[in-house]
Amino acid sequence: DTAVSQTPKYLVTQMGNDKSIKCEQNLGHDTMYWYKQDSKKFLKIMFSYNNKELIINETVPNRFSPKSPDKAHLNLHINSLELGDSAVYFCASRSGPRELFFGEGSRLTVL
Amino acid sequence: AQSVTQLGSHVSVSEGALVLLRCNYSSSVPPYLFWYVQYPNQGLQLLLKYTSAATLVKGINDFEAEFKKSETSFHLTKPSAHMSDAAEYFCAVSEPSNTGNQFYFGTGTSLTVIP
Repeated sequence: DTAVSQTPKYLVTQMGNDKSIKCEQNLGHDTMYWYKQDSKKFLKIMFSYNNKELIINETVPNRFSPKSPDKAHLNLHINSLELGDSAVYFCASRSGPRELFFGEGSRLTVL
Repeated sequence: AQSVTQLGSHVSVSEGALVLLRCNYSSSVPPYLFWYVQYPNQGLQLLLKYTSAATLVKGINDFEAEFKKSETSFHLTKPSAHMSDAAEYFCAVSEPSNTGNQFYFGTGTSLTVIP
């Protein structure tokens, strides 16, 4: 059973398009995250939700909009894609101060 | 503010040699500490964690790390490197904040194993 699953695994799209990435966790965790990993492997937190409530919203362009319909799901919608949005986006979840569990990542390529 | 420093963005070792990846953190309270490994084109996988029990922590694939409060360090070691250990390694810290438990990552260390 996959604990944290993201879809799609790969997205290739043109500049200006809109795309969404979905994430689901079956671990019963109350907190979910979106991270962006750039080409230098640096992990940057973007958003965090706790029980469907946004608790972390880092300096991210407002073209990025997270949505959490319930505490097991956290989706990421990106409007008007730009070249600089090309990266690997990771979803993660955790319970309390414990470790993060990561999805396999969604590699976004903007042409 | 919390920070996690990984000394050496690239480390190369010979197969069979000792692996040492360094991690230092700054925290005003005892943190939880973690090491993650990322193999090419995969997500991050937990190697080991320190949660205020024994200071020497053993993880998967013979990795271990020692929490040294006086040095604010949590270095990762493995006695004998295998080719399959080539990957990106991340040190991370979790500590309480007013928005819940914040998680901070280091910038990563890329390990190369030379045959």
